[in-house]
Order: sequence, then structure tokens, then C-alpha cells
Amino acid sequence: DVQMTQSPSSLSASIGDRVTITCRASQRVSTALNWYQHKPGKAPKLLIHSASTLQSGVPSRFSGSGSETDFTLTISSLQLEDFATYYCQQSYNAPQTFGQGTKVEVK
Amino acid sequence: QLQLQESGPGLVKPSETLSLTCTVSGGSINTKDYYWGWIRQPPGKGPEWIGNVYYGGRTYYNPSLESRVTISADTSRNQFSLKLSSVTAADTAVYFCARRSYSPSYYFDHWGLGTLVTVSS
Repeated sequence: DVQMTQSPSSLSASIGDRVTITCRASQRVSTALNWYQHKPGKAPKLLIHSASTLQSGVPSRFSGSGSETDFTLTISSLQLEDFATYYCQQSYNAPQTFGQGTKVEVK
Repeated sequence: QLQLQESGPGLVKPSETLSLTCTVSGGSINTKDYYWGWIRQPPGKGPEWIGNVYYGGRTYYNPSLESRVTISADTSRNQFSLKLSSVTAADTAVYFCARRSYSPSYYFDHWGLGTLVTVSS
């Protein structure tokens, strides 16, 4: 299976900060990389698919980049509603696999 | 608006079978456009894909669970279901159902809230 490693596992940030989360795949996954946001008690939300395509309705402060093994999720200006846990997922190789998550907390 | 909702027992005894149902509203599961899947997340860990069911009943499973998993669809009720046999404490997790789309990679674009299933005697 492809191992997905996210870093950091958690971070503290303030409103307005630029936040960057990285995801590294143990094998090449082309651009078949997705990012999700999850808040406690809520359904996980797709933010970015295919490495850099913003899902409909997702604010433009979210962006994704990368290919093959190294990927980045960036939040350009952190808002209150962005405090959550973020997961990457590869869908290039079966079985599709997820990262362990990055929790974004209030500084 | 598409909505998915998981239902089923929150407590299952070791060695028994975990059974969950996902009810879909706001759209039909009887379509060639999407797959319908189950994902679980053990406490403190990342999510794990369990399997998908497709139009006509075709199924795809995670090899790590394949010997114990059955996913099926009931198009008349617009539901799909998960059965996981011979459960142990390691199967304790929040179980999510989701819709899988494709363009140009596969991704889950609609999820349920999830339901916690605890395996304990």
C-alpha cells in the first residue's frame, strides 16, 4: 500500500496566518491526490481534488499543489472556520490510502 | 442536495458481525456516474478505505479487509450496506459512508456524519 505521511501532525496558528501542510507519498501517485477538512461531529469535506482543483463552493484561500510524491495544501489567510483536521488521500494506487491528519489549532 | 446517513448498532460483541446501512437522499444510487463507499477511522488514526459498490452491484474491497467484508446495494430503498464479520477491538472506529466521483482522479465528494461502532463484550 502507498503510505501517506503528513507534516506537521499539528500546528498552532492565528487568524490571518498563511498555513502550509505537506503530504508525502511513498510511491508516485501522479496528481491523484485529494485534500479533506474534518471538524468534530461534521461530515468530512472535500477541499481539493486531483492535487490542485478546488472543489465547487470551497473558498479560494485554499489551494493545492504538487505531483508524484510531494504535495502541499495552503490556506492563504486562516479564518476562524478553518480550525479543523486536514487529511490527504491518494487514489492512484489501490487501495486508496489516507494520511494520518494535520490538526490546525488556535495559537 | 445529496445527503448520506449511516445507521446501525453502536456496540458489537467480539467475533460477531458489524452491520451498517447508509441511506442516500437527494439523489439516486442507481447510476453509472458514481461509486458508493465505506471508510472508517479508528480513534486517533487516519481514515481507512473499506470498499465501494458500483452500479449493478460490482464491489471493490481493501485487500486488508476483503476476507471479512461484504458491501451491497438496495436500489429500491436507495441504500447501501456494510457487513464486517468476526470483529475484534481493532475494528472499533467511526464508520463513514460516502459518494465517490471521478474527474480526473477518484475522490469522495459527499460524506455522511459517521457513526461510532465500538467492539466490546
